[in-house]
Amino acid sequence: AQSVAQPEDQVNVAEGNPLTVKCTYSVSGNPYLFWYVQYPNRGLQFLLKYITGDNLVKGSYGFEAEFNKSQTSFHLKKPSALVSDSALYFCAVRFSASKIIFGSGTRLSIRP
Amino acid sequence: GAGVSQSPSNKVTEKGKDVELRCDPISGHTALYWYRQSLGQGLEFLIYFQGNSAPDKSGLPSDRFSAERTGGSVSTLTIQRTQQEDSAVYLCASGPSADTQYFGPGTRLTVL
Repeated sequence: AQSVAQPEDQVNVAEGNPLTVKCTYSVSGNPYLFWYVQYPNRGLQFLLKYITGDNLVKGSYGFEAEFNKSQTSFHLKKPSALVSDSALYFCAVRFSASKIIFGSGTRLSIRP
Repeated sequence: GAGVSQSPSNKVTEKGKDVELRCDPISGHTALYWYRQSLGQGLEFLIYFQGNSAPDKSGLPSDRFSAERTGGSVSTLTIQRTQQEDSAVYLCASGPSADTQYFGPGTRLTVL
């Protein structure tokens, strides 16, 4: 069955440290992978996507994600966290023309 | 420019009543999605419209749920005979394709 998993409900990082938010997927065929962010009291915003090509994808706000086919992962990363990065992050995978599955979300908390 | 708008922002209704939720997508966007986000949960796909094609309704949880998209623009999600488990935030997203989605702020539905 098609699925996407975010194994961590919450990730806590000190400001200035690197951060990683994990995502793994189970999809037959070649997946389209996405990261979205939801700031408090604001709508979901697109961060980045992987369709094909270079496994390292760069997105908004200094975030990047690495597609790893052998590990079926698409972890979100940032070299140096900011307090303003604190938000809810969703990984998503599209496996057909219309079907998109979202993960359950990971709450990222950056402490000053 | 104007983003995706949804109305109402909040809706409180009594169990058994019908509700209509509206989505105004970004002009020119052919793809339109409805999702449901329950408290502490990820996004649940409900329905997908693409241009003039027949919508993908496979995510609708029951026959009490229906959606229309008139003239390829505005969409209405209707929930008949609401139940308490329908309480959630209903999100609409539009895009030039399924790969890029712009989300609205959502409608928070509370069924008493």
